[in-house]
Amino acid sequence: GQNIDQPTEMTATEGAIVQINCTYQTSGFNGLFWYQQHAGEAPTFLSYNVLDGLEEKGRFSSFLSRSKGYSYLLLKELQMKDSASYLCAAFVSGGYNKLIFGAGTRLAVHP
Amino acid sequence: DAGITQSPRYKITETGRQVTLMCHQTWSHSYMFWYRQDLGHGLRLIYYSAAADITDKGEVPDGYVVSRSKTENFPLTLESATRSQTSVYFCASSEMGSVETQYFGPGTRLLVL
Repeated sequence: GQNIDQPTEMTATEGAIVQINCTYQTSGFNGLFWYQQHAGEAPTFLSYNVLDGLEEKGRFSSFLSRSKGYSYLLLKELQMKDSASYLCAAFVSGGYNKLIFGAGTRLAVHP
Repeated sequence: DAGITQSPRYKITETGRQVTLMCHQTWSHSYMFWYRQDLGHGLRLIYYSAAADITDKGEVPDGYVVSRSKTENFPLTLESATRSQTSVYFCASSEMGSVETQYFGPGTRLLVL
């Protein structure tokens, strides 16, 4: 079956660094998306990794290891506005190309 | 305004009623998707459409009907609403079905009493 796991909740302090992990077990894996979703709002695109390694985009970085079925999202210099849910989604093929979402990690940033 | 919009944003209905959720995008994206989001389950795909008049089932299609007569619109109908269909519904679109990023609408919060 297709399975995506990520922690349910995390807390961190303003200015700190936090790493949100995601493990996946899927067939037809093409790549890994990360989305940010503030409470009551739509998910918005953060990153997409298709190759192994780290991709940096400002304060946010995303890492992928295809051999380990593992990804993480790294948030640096945390700000209060980073309090949100972070959704990991595997992009898979098979019949049609689709996204399989994890349940999301709710991050609370405290002063 | 350009983008993807959904209506209504909030809806309360009763068991057995028919409900239609609207989705409209102005990007002329080929692909459109309907997801539901429930606590502990993440986003689950209900139906998707590759182009006008082409639709197909996702993971959880039972109890839902879609149509796509125009590229920009993708309505989702609950033929006879049930309490288990209480959820937040998100519409999304992407230029192609493959590696292109999906862009999400603001969501419709549906309560079935």
